[in-house]
Amino acid sequence: DAGVIQSPRHEVTEMGQEVTLRCKPISGHDYLFWYRQTMMRGLELLIYFNNNVPIDDSGMPEDRFSAKMPNASFSTLKIQPSEPRDSAVYFCASRRILAGGIDTQYFGPGTRLTVL
Amino acid sequence: KQEVTQIPAALSVPEGENLVLNCSFTDSAIYNLQWFRQDPGKGLTSLLLIQSSQREQTSGRLNASLDKSSGRSTLYIAASQPGDSATYLCAVSPQGGGGGNKLTFGTGTQLKVEL
Repeated sequence: DAGVIQSPRHEVTEMGQEVTLRCKPISGHDYLFWYRQTMMRGLELLIYFNNNVPIDDSGMPEDRFSAKMPNASFSTLKIQPSEPRDSAVYFCASRRILAGGIDTQYFGPGTRLTVL
Repeated sequence: KQEVTQIPAALSVPEGENLVLNCSFTDSAIYNLQWFRQDPGKGLTSLLLIQSSQREQTSGRLNASLDKSSGRSTLYIAASQPGDSATYLCAVSPQGGGGGNKLTFGTGTQLKVEL
């Protein structure tokens, strides 16, 4: 398996523009997570899905952020309008629950977002 | 609110040295604790996962311990190598928090192992 795939790897945009980050989880994983990492706040969970349904979005910073998972193999995180303080590395991760056990989260390589 | 602290923030050691990374958390009602490794420009890789009922886990040269009552975990790296250079993060998930889904991460320890 190729692991969790994220695109783009780098994104530079201007304040006010819409930004869409994409994620393809590992096949067979039924949980998907979006995280944000900054120097000031570290790594924070934004939202997670189970079987394509959003379960907890309490970490989403404000209404400018939205996430969707239209099917088991694709998710998007959208920021509209973007602001300079949104500059960060955004990670996607996926996970599956093993029968009789647990499994960890597998992280993608991240998207480095810069908002000018 | 759970807070996770890692000490030291940065560490530089000569190759071959044994070392200990520390992680502390404020709420002992955890489901599990994990140690991750992050290389520059890359995502996180899980190293060890300790369930709340366990005391330690071992993988190769790595050993992680958990003292839930005192809110502490340590990651022991034996015979360090330059390839161990990375940032190490610990993360905890709460009891009743979806079984390991809602991870709270520490700020990490940046390790450099020198030749």
